[in-house]
Amino acid sequence: EVVLTQSPATLSLSPGERATLSCKASQSITTYLAWYQQKPGQAPRLLIYDASNRAIGIPARFSGSGSGTDFTLTISSLEPEDFAVYYCQQRRNWQYTFGQGTKLEIK
Amino acid sequence: QVQLQESGPGLVKPSETLSLTCTVSGGSISGYYWSWIRQPPGKGLEWIGYIYYNGNTNYNPSLKSPVTVSLDTSKNQFSLKLSSVTAADTAVYYCAREYGGAFYFDYWGPGRLVTVSS
Repeated sequence: EVVLTQSPATLSLSPGERATLSCKASQSITTYLAWYQQKPGQAPRLLIYDASNRAIGIPARFSGSGSGTDFTLTISSLEPEDFAVYYCQQRRNWQYTFGQGTKLEIK
Repeated sequence: QVQLQESGPGLVKPSETLSLTCTVSGGSISGYYWSWIRQPPGKGLEWIGYIYYNGNTNYNPSLKSPVTVSLDTSKNQFSLKLSSVTAADTAVYYCAREYGGAFYFDYWGPGRLVTVSS
C-alpha cells in the first residue's frame, strides 16, 4: 500500500498570504496524484489531477507540482473561502489511498 | 451535470449489514468506475471499493468487514453492502465517480452518515 504523508497537519495563515502544502508518497507514483478541498459538512471537491492539472472551474491561484514521491499544492494568495482541509490522493496497482489531510486555518 | 445521491439507513446495529445505494443522475453509468469512500467523524478519507460499468469489482484489502459493491444499470444505481459491522464502521459514506479510469474522483455525492450502534 502506498502511504501518503501530508505536512503540516495544520497551517495558520492570513488572507492574501501564500500557502504551500506538502504530500509525500512512500513509493513512486509518477504523477498519479490528485488534490481535494473539503469544507465542513461537504464532500471533497477535486482541485488538481495528474499532479499539476487544475480541474474544471478551479481558480488559477491553485497550482500543483511534483512527481515521483514529492508533491506540492500552492495557493498563491489566500481568499477567505480557501480555509478548509486539503487531501492528496493516489492510485497504484488499482488501490487508492488518501493523505491524512492538512487543515488550513485563518491566523 | 452529473449528480450522485446516497440513500439508505442512518443507523445499523452491530454485527448486521450496512446497505447503501447511490443514484446517478444527469449522466450514464456506462464507461466509468464507481467507488465508495468513507470518512469516520473527524478523521480522513478511506477508499472502500469500486465497480466498473461492466460489473468488475475491486476492494480495499485492509477493510475488516466483508464488502460487496453491485450495479443496477437499469436504474442508474450502484450499491454497497458491508457485513458484520462494528462501531469502527461508523462514518460518512460517499459515492464517487472515477473519471474515465484515470484514478481521480471528479463527482461525489453529498455523503450519508451511518452510525453503528445498538
